[in-house]
Amino acid sequence: EIVLTQSPGTLSLSPGERATLSCRASRSVSSNYLAWYQHKPGQAPRLLVYGASSRAAGVPDRFSGSGSGTDFTLTISRLEPEDFAVYYCQQYGTSPFTFGPGTKVDIK
Amino acid sequence: EVQLVESGGGLVKPGGSLRLSCTASGFTFSSYGMHWVRQAPGKGLEWVSSIIPSSTFIYYADSVRGRFTISRDNTKSSLYLQMSSLRAEDTAVYYCARVRERGFAELDFWGQGTLVTVSS
Repeated sequence: EIVLTQSPGTLSLSPGERATLSCRASRSVSSNYLAWYQHKPGQAPRLLVYGASSRAAGVPDRFSGSGSGTDFTLTISRLEPEDFAVYYCQQYGTSPFTFGPGTKVDIK
Repeated sequence: EVQLVESGGGLVKPGGSLRLSCTASGFTFSSYGMHWVRQAPGKGLEWVSSIIPSSTFIYYADSVRGRFTISRDNTKSSLYLQMSSLRAEDTAVYYCARVRERGFAELDFWGQGTLVTVSS
């Protein structure tokens, strides 16, 4: 199976700052089928980015995804208070469709 | 409005069985792939299983293969997860999720989850 590693584990930032989250795959992700999700306690996860760089419907443009092959990045250009959450990457090109361990973005 | 509502969770003893259901509304269920994803207490998301609209192709995580069975009834707009030989490590909130329209397996709508607790 493809193992995803996310870094850092925790990112402590202030509102208005830029957040850069990394996701690295143990081997190349087929067709760059890499998604990013936001998850807050007690809520359903929310799709942010799919296909490595396409924003999902209704997602603000401060969220952007990039990368290909084994290295992917989610960037939040300016953190809003509602952006503090856990972020997961998931590869869905090869079954099993594995998730990374998550990056927690918390308020500094 | 797209809605996914899971049900069937609860407390079950190790070795026991449980059947989860996910009832969909607000979209043409028979046209969408569906997945189950779980989250153990204090842990991250773990993909469990998926099924395409026709049920022709089904996939499982290694951790549940042979113990869990995914199925769907398009006439009832419902997704199911039959879980057997349950273990303590299966304790989790189980989410059903829909594949994005014209997508491959990215999940654009999720239910609120149902809690399964495996304990004696």
